[in-house]
Amino acid sequence: EDQVTQSPEALRLQEGESSSLNCSYTVSGLRGLFWYRQDPGKGPEFLFTLYSAGEEKEKERLKATLTKKESFLHITAPKPEDSATYLCAVHPGSGGYNKLIFGAGTRLAVHP
Amino acid sequence: ETGVTQSPTHLIKTRGQQVTLRCSSQSGHNTVSWYQQALGQGPQFIFQYYREEENGRGNFPPRFSGLQFPNYSSELNVNALELDDSALYLCASSLEPNQETQYFGPGTRLLVL
Repeated sequence: EDQVTQSPEALRLQEGESSSLNCSYTVSGLRGLFWYRQDPGKGPEFLFTLYSAGEEKEKERLKATLTKKESFLHITAPKPEDSATYLCAVHPGSGGYNKLIFGAGTRLAVHP
Repeated sequence: ETGVTQSPTHLIKTRGQQVTLRCSSQSGHNTVSWYQQALGQGPQFIFQYYREEENGRGNFPPRFSGLQFPNYSSELNVNALELDDSALYLCASSLEPNQETQYFGPGTRLLVL
């Protein structure tokens, strides 16, 4: 069964304290791995797509990496405005449609 | 270029009623997917519409149905509402139906009493 597990469930950081979020996945055939940011009561905001092991993408203080079994979202010197829930999702190989399987997310709180 | 929009933003219904949620896709996107997000959980795929037809469905009962119109906008209909249907309903659009990044709207918060 296709599955995505994110850890930790919640993370509290001080401003400037770098850390990493983990996304472990089990999928029949990976067509893509996606990271989204979601603010309370709002829709997910697209951050990155990764397609193959070894691939890396960067955007401001965020860097996403991908291996054959997991992905990491590294946050360097975070600021309070980085506080949000970060969602990881996979697009499995089966089917001809855009079904994303999401993890439950990591709730990040960055304090000044 | 306009992003994905959804209406209404909030809705309160009672058990057994029916509800219709609406979504306009991002400019140039011909594919719309719907997701249900319960509190504290990740979104769950309901179904996808492409060329005005449902071309993929998740683990949701038939009382969840949809439509897509020639302008690519879409509706989600839920009949015989249950308390567990209370959730944030998200619409996402993409350029094509497979292996494409999806862009989400702000969602409709549905509360079933």
